[in-house]
Amino acid sequence: EAGVTQFPSHSVIEKGQTVTLRCDPISGHDNLYWYRRVMGKEIKFLLHFVKESKQDESGMPNNRFLAERTGGTYSTLKVQPAELEDSGVYFCASSPTYYEQYFGPGTRLTVT
Amino acid sequence: AQSVTQLGSHVSVSEGALVLLRCNYSSSVPPYLFWYVQYPNQGLQLLLKYTSAATLVKGINGFEAEFKKSETSFHLTKPSAHMSDAAEYFCAMGRPDTGNQFYFGTGTSLTVIP
Repeated sequence: EAGVTQFPSHSVIEKGQTVTLRCDPISGHDNLYWYRRVMGKEIKFLLHFVKESKQDESGMPNNRFLAERTGGTYSTLKVQPAELEDSGVYFCASSPTYYEQYFGPGTRLTVT
Repeated sequence: AQSVTQLGSHVSVSEGALVLLRCNYSSSVPPYLFWYVQYPNQGLQLLLKYTSAATLVKGINGFEAEFKKSETSFHLTKPSAHMSDAAEYFCAMGRPDTGNQFYFGTGTSLTVIP
């Protein structure tokens, strides 16, 4: 069974540019989560999809971040325009239930 | 408020020595608790989980953790460290009532000295 995949693995962009991160969950997992880890800090929740619907987006830092999940399959997280403080590692996770989450390798975003 | 605290951002042990990584939690409801490991250039891999069954939980690679409600702790142990255990370890907490986000500690980087 293929795990959670994320693209790209690394992205370096300039302040003010737009970046789109993609997450492909494990097939059949209705729950999809986005998290972010800023250097040296804890991994923090951004939002949760159940199928194509946003269940909880309380962790999204501001309206420069837009997440979508097309047809309940893959998800994208767009940052527009990017700021320096958006740098970090963005993790995606999926789960069939509420008490286990399977994480992808993360996308390391560097905003210069 | 929900939170997870990992004591010690860096831990070094000698090969063959006991590994002890500390995790304390704060939760208004009985939590689910997890340990994840991240090897260099890889994703987070689930080591073990506590979901209100047995308080002593065994995981992969010889790791285990014990849920102690009175101490609000979920420390991770391994009797004998291997070089391959060098990685970053994260303690995480979920809430059965809300069922969505996990709360993570800041991580502990484990170094194994030959």
